Amino acid sequence: RKEVEQDPGPFNVPEGATVAFNCTYSNSASQSFFWYRQDCRKEPKLLMSVYSSGNEDGRFTAQLNRASQYISLLIRDSKLSDSATYLCVGLMDSSYKLIFGSGTRLLVRP
Amino acid sequence: SAVISQKPSRDICQRGTSLTIQCQVDSQVTMMFWYRQQPGQSLTLIATANQGSEATYESGFVIDKFPISRPNLTFSTLTVSNMSPEDSSIYLCSVLGTGGKYGYTFGSGTRLTVV
Repeated sequence: RKEVEQDPGPFNVPEGATVAFNCTYSNSASQSFFWYRQDCRKEPKLLMSVYSSGNEDGRFTAQLNRASQYISLLIRDSKLSDSATYLCVGLMDSSYKLIFGSGTRLLVRP
Repeated sequence: SAVISQKPSRDICQRGTSLTIQCQVDSQVTMMFWYRQQPGQSLTLIATANQGSEATYESGFVIDKFPISRPNLTFSTLTVSNMSPEDSSIYLCSVLGTGGKYGYTFGSGTRLTVV
């Protein structure tokens, strides 16, 4: 079983839609989590950190449920520019290693 | 966040040869990592590059195949040795800045094709 699992998608949504991605993790040693965005043929870039209390950054909301070992990302009012692959990432605090999920591809259509 | 210069950006190599990828950071960083991203896949950690000592390799990766150097806090190299077509992939370096453990930045990657 992979340590971080995601639905690969693709999610094909119209502009303005709300879309939610889910991620589960199996390693309870991962204490910190992030969502990264990766555009085609580009390197991953940090989108936002995920905290137990949840956090919001504009149209993006991330939630972490430690009891269920579940992480989510909600994107409201989708833009064409949101089309990318979204990577769920866990941090092994003891070693500072990032563990990546397989990524969820989002396609926002006009 | 740190700015990373990774080169080459791409290369096409003959099987059996070796390629060295460089990662130069504009500031001293706490930790440096090397990842591989195979076509259509997510990132897999190859190793943690340790300054002044041998790198720490993940399961499935060995020093003979992927020797890594890190002579100082701003520079590291990854060599892909005795290449085969299965090594065709994108290789990325990543750094953790001294500003905090959430400051991970990635290089732009090296797209390697082995023929």
